[in-house]
Amino acid sequence: ELKVEQNPLFLSMQEGKNYTIYCNYSTTSDRLYWYRQDPGKSLESLFVLLSNGAVKQEGRLMASLDTKARLSTLHITAAVHDLSATYFCAVEGTETNNNDMRFGAGTRLTVKP
Amino acid sequence: NAGVMQNPRHLVRRRGQEARLRCSPMKGHSHVYWYRQLPEEGLKFMVYLQKENIIDESGMPKERFSAEFPKEGPSILRIQQVVRGDSAAYFCASSWGITGELFFGEGSRLTVL
Repeated sequence: ELKVEQNPLFLSMQEGKNYTIYCNYSTTSDRLYWYRQDPGKSLESLFVLLSNGAVKQEGRLMASLDTKARLSTLHITAAVHDLSATYFCAVEGTETNNNDMRFGAGTRLTVKP
Repeated sequence: NAGVMQNPRHLVRRRGQEARLRCSPMKGHSHVYWYRQLPEEGLKFMVYLQKENIIDESGMPKERFSAEFPKEGPSILRIQQVVRGDSAAYFCASSWGITGELFFGEGSRLTVL
C-alpha cells in the first residue's frame, strides 16, 4: 500500500528565513502534487510534478521531485506571513489514477514576524 | 465556470441521526471523489464515482456509509446512524478524467454531538 510521509508536521519560522518541507513515499510513482490549505478552507493546487528531476517555482515556493529517491521537496525562500498555511503532498500510485492518490499528513507552517 | 460546490458547509447531528452531504462537480467533470479529513490529519480517500457508478469504494467504511452519483443531480455521501467518530471535514473533488487534475470543494464539516 502506498504510504506518504511528510516532515516536519509543524514548522514555525521567522519571516525572511528559508526552509524545506520533505515528502517521502513508499512505492514507484511519477506524479506528485503539492497543495495548500488555509484554515477552514479547501485545498488549492500549487504544483504538479510529473517526472524525475521536475522542478517548478512559483513566487517564494519551489518544488522538486526525485522519483529514484521517492522524495519531493517544497522549498520556501524568504518566508512571509502570507505563506502561513498547511501544505500537503499527494502521490499517485502505480496506476496513476486519481483514486490511487494518497495524501501526506500535512505540514502546518506558521511564519512569524 | 463555478467550481466544485459542496453543501451544507456545516452540519450538526446528534448520535444516531443521518447526515447527507452533497457535491456538485465542476461543469464538464464526470468523476467525483470523496475524502475525509480528521483534525490535524491529511485527507483519506473514501470513494470514487462516475455517473451512476461506484468505481472504487475501498476507503469507505462498510457499514453506515454510502455514496451515489445519479445521472441527474449532485453526488451524495450518506452517513447513517452517525457516531462521534464521524465528526470530520468531508471534501469532494472532481476531475474530467481518471487522471485529470483534481479540483476540490470547500468541504462539509460534520459535527456529531
